[in-house]
Amino acid sequence: VQLVESGGGLVKPGESLRLSCAASGFNCNNAWMSWVRQTPGKGLEWVGRIKDESEGGTTDFAAPVKGRFTISRDDSKNMLSLQMNSLKTEDTGVYYCTTGTWLQSDYWGQGTLVTVSS
Amino acid sequence: DVVMTQSPLSLPVTLGQPASISCRPNQSLEHSDGNTYLNWFQQRPGQSPRRLIYKVSNRDSGVPDRFSGSGSGTDFTLKFSRVEADDVGVYYCMQGTHWPYTFGQGTKLEIK
Repeated sequence: VQLVESGGGLVKPGESLRLSCAASGFNCNNAWMSWVRQTPGKGLEWVGRIKDESEGGTTDFAAPVKGRFTISRDDSKNMLSLQMNSLKTEDTGVYYCTTGTWLQSDYWGQGTLVTVSS
Repeated sequence: DVVMTQSPLSLPVTLGQPASISCRPNQSLEHSDGNTYLNWFQQRPGQSPRRLIYKVSNRDSGVPDRFSGSGSGTDFTLKFSRVEADDVGVYYCMQGTHWPYTFGQGTKLEIK
């Protein structure tokens, strides 16, 4: 099982960035998927989650990113995405995708670095 | 949001000695479904978090049995029966009973 994030980089405040997470070795159809970030200011922070389609595929976000970030999934491609708009300097950090948080096995990607700076 | 308070924040330990980390949320983590959603993670420098314990006391596959988790309500503990050199890193508790999920500040374990 592997989760591989991509799409990180350097952007200016107010700009947008889209992160992707490619899952392999398991079928993420029935899995809740999440994004977690690690920032210099706040440490580890759960950014948001998306439920599986059987539970409506609904999303939830932490307050600091609500209204600016969206999560989507393409189960046919085993892909998870995080669209980040109106980025702020405090969004700088390493972004991880993860799944299986409350199950017997959980999985984390290696992380992708997002830097928001003018 | 649920605030997870860990102590100590720095934990110097002699090799082979026991150690423990406390995690105190400011709300009970007992969910209405009967579960308590409290995990423990280890993070080594440059690595992703690695889950050690899920739902209070369930050890992840491959995690040595010298790690154990216990607790309930608003008082949780991660115990090391004897610390080994490989245990150096930062340890985090994390709750998932209330949204958003939240982490503790982290406890840095080092060898004396």
